[in-house]
Amino acid sequence: DAGVIQSPRHEVTEMGQEVTLRCKPISGHNSLFWYRQTMMRGLELLIYFNNNVPIDDSGMPEDRFSAKMPNASFSTLKIQPSEPRDSAVYFCASSVGQGVDYGYTFGSGTRLTVV
Amino acid sequence: GEDVEQSLFLSVREGDSSVINCTYTDSSSTYLYWYKQEPGAGLQLLTYIFSNMDMKQDQRLTVLLNKKDKHLSLRIADTQTGDSAIYFCAEDKLIFGAGTRLAVHP
Repeated sequence: DAGVIQSPRHEVTEMGQEVTLRCKPISGHNSLFWYRQTMMRGLELLIYFNNNVPIDDSGMPEDRFSAKMPNASFSTLKIQPSEPRDSAVYFCASSVGQGVDYGYTFGSGTRLTVV
Repeated sequence: GEDVEQSLFLSVREGDSSVINCTYTDSSSTYLYWYKQEPGAGLQLLTYIFSNMDMKQDQRLTVLLNKKDKHLSLRIADTQTGDSAIYFCAEDKLIFGAGTRLAVHP
């Protein structure tokens, strides 16, 4: 298995533009998580899905952020409009179920820079 | 609320033992995890411990859990330069600490 695949690896965009981050979870995993990592705040859970349904989006910072999971093999995190303070590394992780025996598998992250 | 706290930095000499500490608040967590993040990479599961255990050993890694004090530690024996990374502890609900940056120097 190729693991959790995120794209792009790096994204540089201008303030105000729309940004879409993509994630392909491990086949057979039915939970998917989006995290944001910054030096100031560490790792923050933004939203997670179980069986393609958003379960907890309380970590989504504001309405500019939205996430979708149209099917079991794909999820997007969209920021519109983007702002410089959104610059961070965004991680996607997947697992079998929630609170599972073997932890979660993370993607390599998307480094977003908003200028 | 739920919170996980870790010290931010640890510097050790190569060959010494490293101990990374973590405190958490969710007493209902079934598992507690340690993740490792190398520079420019995602998080990798390093080890985990079931909440009814107080110790788990895996080669150079020893995890100690004090459930009463909600304290978790990760000991790395014979620390190597390749162990330099950020180490995160996490509860079941994937609440992570801020991460401890381990620097190993000769």
